[in-house]
Amino acid sequence: GNSVTQMEGPVTLSEEAFLTINCTYTATGYPSLFWYVQYPGEGLQLLLKATKADDKGSNKGFEATYRKETTSFHLEKGSVQVSDSAVYFCALTRGGYSTLTFGKGTMLLVSP
Amino acid sequence: NAGVTQTPKFQVLKTGQSMTLQCAQDMNHNSMYWYRQDPGMGLRLIYYSASEGTTDKGEVPNGYNVSRLNKREFSLRLESAAPSQTSVYFCASSEKSRTSGGQETQYFGPGTRLLVL
Repeated sequence: GNSVTQMEGPVTLSEEAFLTINCTYTATGYPSLFWYVQYPGEGLQLLLKATKADDKGSNKGFEATYRKETTSFHLEKGSVQVSDSAVYFCALTRGGYSTLTFGKGTMLLVSP
Repeated sequence: NAGVTQTPKFQVLKTGQSMTLQCAQDMNHNSMYWYRQDPGMGLRLIYYSASEGTTDKGEVPNGYNVSRLNKREFSLRLESAAPSQTSVYFCASSEKSRTSGGQETQYFGPGTRLLVL
């Protein structure tokens, strides 16, 4: 079946540090890949997505590239801010189907 | 637009009690979903409704029922609550079309925190 594996957190960084959160997946067919972010006390919101191999999704300084050869979709940001502190979820939908399979989430804590 | 709204925000139940979680969206989306979020488990799909009048089981449907009341509303019912159903419940919606092929964004509500004693 489909599955998503994320690095465990929390990831603790100082402001302006470089961020990488690893995500790998197992899926049949041609999945679409997503990163969702959950700020404290809120629901999830889409951060970025990529729908085919070699696509790069980007938003708010975050980016991730769909790597089919390594089945990965790692999230990166060059310079994190305190306001980026949140839980980040990697997820996929199997081609043609809309139901999301989520990773367990990675908490990011950014200190001033 | 309010987006996706959920009621109640918080609820405490005793084992064996029943309750219905309400969800509504004002984005005219076809598809709606119910997830539960547990520590260290990510989000898991309970039920979904691809379109008005249809519902399907997700990964963890046992102990739950759903109703797609109309295009806007999708409710989740716990007939006899158990402590294992203590969780945060999220409703989501998306605009799936024949060409979107699983690429569409899901929009989430703020969640309902449920404690079953």
